[in-house]
Amino acid sequence: GENVEQHPSTLSVQEGDSAVIKCTYSDSASNYFPWYKQELGKRPQLIIDIRSNVGEKKDQRIAVTLNKTAKHFSLHITETQPEDSAVYFCAASSIDSWGKLQFGAGTQVVVTP
Amino acid sequence: EAQVTQNPRYLITVTGKKLTVTCSQNMNHEYMSWYRQDPGLGLRQIYYSMNVEVTDKGDVPEGYKVSRKEKRNFPLILESPSPNQTSLYFCASSLGSGDNQPQHFGDGTRLSIL
Repeated sequence: GENVEQHPSTLSVQEGDSAVIKCTYSDSASNYFPWYKQELGKRPQLIIDIRSNVGEKKDQRIAVTLNKTAKHFSLHITETQPEDSAVYFCAASSIDSWGKLQFGAGTQVVVTP
Repeated sequence: EAQVTQNPRYLITVTGKKLTVTCSQNMNHEYMSWYRQDPGLGLRQIYYSMNVEVTDKGDVPEGYKVSRKEKRNFPLILESPSPNQTSLYFCASSLGSGDNQPQHFGDGTRLSIL
C-alpha cells in the first residue's frame, strides 16, 4: 500500500521568511496530493491540492510542487505570518483506490514574530 | 451552513462498553471517511464509504465497525472498546463521484477508554 513520509516534523521560521515542507510517497499510481492545515484544537482544513497532471500550483502565498519521477511533493509558504503557525499534513491517494487517503505524520510550523 | 457534525465531542468510558460515534453531513456528499489522530502518527484512516451501502477498510480498521444506510450518516461503532482506542477521531466527507475531492472534516471526537 501507499506510504507517505513527511519532513521535517517541526519547523521554526522567522516572520516574513519562507517555509518548505517535503513529502515522499511510495505508490507510483498516486495521482492526488492534498495539503491540510490544522490549528491547535481545530479540525484539519484543506489549504491546497494538486493532481499528477500538474507540476506546480499556487494560491497567494502558498504553492505546491510535484515531482512524479522522484515521487515527492512539497509545500511552500512565502512571507510567513504568525497565523501560519499550525500543523501541516500532506496526503496521497491513487485513482485505483481513490477512497483511500494516506497522510504524512505532520509538520509543526512555528512562526516567530 | 455546510458542515460535518460529530457527536459526542468528548467521551470517557470503560473497556468493553459498546459505543457509537455519530457523523452526519448536510452537503449531499457521496464519500465519507473516519480517521483517528494520534501524536506523531498523523491521521490514519479507519474506514471509508464511497456511497450508501458501500464501505471499505482503511489502514487501521481492527476493533471498529461502520455502516452507511443513508447518504448523510456514517456512524463509527466500537463494539468492545479497549484503551488502545483512546484517540481523537475525525469524520470527513467529500463529493466523491469516482475521484478524489477535497475532504471536509468534522470538529472531532475525543475518546478516552479507561
